[in-house]
Amino acid sequence: DAGVTQSPTHLIKTRGQHVTLRCSPISGHKSVSWYQQVLGQGPQFIFQYYEKEERGRGNFPDRFSARQFPNYSSELNVNALLLGDSALYLCASSRTGESGELFFGEGSRLTVL
Amino acid sequence: SQKIEQNSEALNIQEGKTATLTCNYTNYSPAYLQWYRQDPGRGPVFLLLIRENEKEKRKERLKVTFDTTLKQSLFHITASQPADSATYLCALRYNFNKFYFGSGTKLNVKP
Repeated sequence: DAGVTQSPTHLIKTRGQHVTLRCSPISGHKSVSWYQQVLGQGPQFIFQYYEKEERGRGNFPDRFSARQFPNYSSELNVNALLLGDSALYLCASSRTGESGELFFGEGSRLTVL
Repeated sequence: SQKIEQNSEALNIQEGKTATLTCNYTNYSPAYLQWYRQDPGRGPVFLLLIRENEKEKRKERLKVTFDTTLKQSLFHITASQPADSATYLCALRYNFNKFYFGSGTKLNVKP
């Protein structure tokens, strides 16, 4: 079975631009969550979606938004990019939204110049 | 907000020894505490989960303990191998919108 897939794997943007990151969860998983990982730190929770509804939001500005589609795939959008948005963006899926293990993708490496 | 402390200094041990990693947290205890392994440039991989009413969990060479009085979890790898070298992350799950990761501890197992 395919694991969590994310695209693109790497991308470079300039300040002020917009970016869309995509995630396909493991088949049968209905929950998708997004994390930002800056070099040398642990992942920071951004959003969780379960059954296409937002179930949790971390401490990130409104420039960050996300959605989940009927096939449970998800997009993370970031507007008005700042240099500090440079990070590895990780998507994780799980069967349900509450407990249990998270299955992570390999991430999208975003560099903002 | 919740603060999670993992030893930021790398842990260097000899092959065959037991590695012990520490995760300390502030505030109230989570419903679930999890440990993940992360290799450079890769996403984290789930290892073990322990609930707040459990004291200890084991899986092959791995063991995790959870002390809600001390607000601490210990993660042990017995008979360590060079292939165990990686960064190990502690994660606390409270509910849907409260999921916190520590910064991780890098483990180096020398042959």
